[in-house]
Amino acid sequence: KAGVTQTPRYLIKTRGQQVTLSCSPISGHRSVSWYQQTPGQGLQFLFEYFSETQRNKGNFPGRFSGRQFSNSRSEMNVSTLELGDSALYLCASSLPGQGVRSEKLFFGSGTQLSVL
Amino acid sequence: DAKTTQPPSMDCAEGRAANLPCNHSTISGNEYVYWYRQIHSQGPQYIIHGLKNNETNEMASLIITEDRKSSTLILPHATLRDTAVYYCIVRDYTGTASKLTFGTGTRLQVTL
Repeated sequence: KAGVTQTPRYLIKTRGQQVTLSCSPISGHRSVSWYQQTPGQGLQFLFEYFSETQRNKGNFPGRFSGRQFSNSRSEMNVSTLELGDSALYLCASSLPGQGVRSEKLFFGSGTQLSVL
Repeated sequence: DAKTTQPPSMDCAEGRAANLPCNHSTISGNEYVYWYRQIHSQGPQYIIHGLKNNETNEMASLIITEDRKSSTLILPHATLRDTAVYYCIVRDYTGTASKLTFGTGTRLQVTL
């Protein structure tokens, strides 16, 4: 079974641009969540989608947005990029039905975004 | 949010058991303890989780104290490939939604 796939693996952008990152969850997984990892702040939760609806959101500005499609694939978008947005962006999928309180997350390898 | 406290780093000789402690004194009665690890340049990998009973799988064992205020992850025979940052997490819930709040973790170095 294929794991969580994130594309692209590396990305270089300049300040002020926007970027879209893609995540394909494990087949059959309907929940997708996104995390940002930086050396200074560590791993931080961005948002979670289930059945095309955002059901949880972290403390990030409105420049960070996401969506989920009917096939559970998800994208996240960052507009008006800032230098501080340079980070590893990780996507994780899970299989609801195990019980929300005990479901496991499966992470992709991430997209390394560099903002110059 | 429930918080966890872990030592910043630990060393372990290859072939020995690695015992990674975690304090979570504010955990609520229905919150699970999760362990993930992150090998350099990869996404976090699920290891194990538990509520109140000890758990074991092919990767590790999880020992949770009776008062649930602390736990220990045990890698029974550590190998060099177990070198990673290990995160102990108590899951945050709001209704049916949840998120993982990662702390700074324990950097485990397995040596020859």
